[in-house]
Amino acid sequence: DADVTQTPRNRITKTGKRIMLECSQTKGHDRMYWYRQDPGLGLRLIYYSFDVKDINKGEISDGYSVSRQAQAKFSLSLESAIPNQTALYFCATSGPTGQGIDTQYFGPGTRLTVL
Amino acid sequence: QKEVEQNSGPLSVPEGAIASLNCTYSDRVSQSFFWYRQYSGKSPELIMSIYSNGDKEDGRFTAQLNKASQYVSLLIRDSQPSDSATYLCAVGFQKLVFGTGTRLLVSP
Repeated sequence: DADVTQTPRNRITKTGKRIMLECSQTKGHDRMYWYRQDPGLGLRLIYYSFDVKDINKGEISDGYSVSRQAQAKFSLSLESAIPNQTALYFCATSGPTGQGIDTQYFGPGTRLTVL
Repeated sequence: QKEVEQNSGPLSVPEGAIASLNCTYSDRVSQSFFWYRQYSGKSPELIMSIYSNGDKEDGRFTAQLNKASQYVSLLIRDSQPSDSATYLCAVGFQKLVFGTGTRLLVSP
């Protein structure tokens, strides 16, 4: 089974709808991240959480909110979806490696289309 | 604004050749450096990590780091068509900044 899972894998929705993307991990990591990827713009950080009680805005948090329901679960919500939120969304997790390098491991991604 | 710069490519090399991918970064306090490989429509997959100056080798891959020049590179020896992908450079520590990636094409 995959260590980092995302649901749904694909979603088409309409402008103004509320949508939630979910991420679960079995790696036992404390740190979780949400990114979006757009062609030519690379991966951009939306929100990140270093533990259940810690939530931080990333580079592009406007229009998004998150919830860290448990160590293993981190959800991303679009309260009122707009077309320019059409993108590929990735969840990632990280934890101590013993070498001081905080390697991030990515889920399979959610392709979101907002019409 | 912390930046990570990569040439978007495509970088085209013949099968069996050495592919050299380069990345520069702006934040001098960066501690960790990663190379991820991403196939079209798939998630990034870790290839190499490096955190001290010099070279680090893993199979056909060698990462090179020069903190004074704020430069990190990835060499792929004996390139294979299956290496054709986009390679993302990531820099930071707990929060990573990603470059936009270099597309590598390895022709048979």
